[in-house]
Amino acid sequence: EVQLLESGGGLVQPGGSLRLSCAASGFTFDHYAMSWVRQAPGKGLEWVSSISGRDGSTYYADSVKGRFTISRDNSKNTLYLQMNSLRAEDTALYYCAKMGWMSVPKNWFELWGQGTLVTVSS
Amino acid sequence: QSVLTQPPSASGTPGQRVTISCSGSSSNFGSNAVNWYQQLPGTAPKLLIYVNNQRPSGVPDRFSGSKSGTSASLAISGLQSEDEADYYCATWDDSLNGVVFGGGTKLTVL
Repeated sequence: EVQLLESGGGLVQPGGSLRLSCAASGFTFDHYAMSWVRQAPGKGLEWVSSISGRDGSTYYADSVKGRFTISRDNSKNTLYLQMNSLRAEDTALYYCAKMGWMSVPKNWFELWGQGTLVTVSS
Repeated sequence: QSVLTQPPSASGTPGQRVTISCSGSSSNFGSNAVNWYQQLPGTAPKLLIYVNNQRPSGVPDRFSGSKSGTSASLAISGLQSEDEADYYCATWDDSLNGVVFGGGTKLTVL
């Protein structure tokens, strides 16, 4: 069974850092691009970042560029999101998503995890 | 303000056919396909339609998608109470070099 399990969320002060992880199982991890998508409380979906399957090409939303870093460890079947300089507006449920194929452009989010909550507040 | 424009709400009665629109621009829908996601209350989103009109395994054929020019639509026929959810369109934007979502449409089954 294909599964995505996010972890690492929590309460952090403005300006702080947090690293999210997404453990994947049930598929050949390095064959697929992976992404992070977030949803602020009561709001819609917002794409955050994506990384391709093997060459590691990365893509970021303008709202997080320069502050967040996406990475993956194909030997551990794990996706990461390093979040620095966090702001109140980064408060959201962060979903890990498996994409439909190896490269990022023109792809889709085939499977979603259950999400991990990040709260940025003093 | 979302790059893709969806109506905030839609409604229908059981058995009815409803459509949800999604409007974009040449930088996204001009050369890219649309994907649709369903988010039931309190749950994670789920892929509903990909590449304009393809249904993943397990999605009923009551759900269908189409795209023409810079607009797309999701149609749900034989509406059921369990279809009550938020629906999002999304695609790749060549100018932004990233994924863009619509603001979401809340579907109510009356």
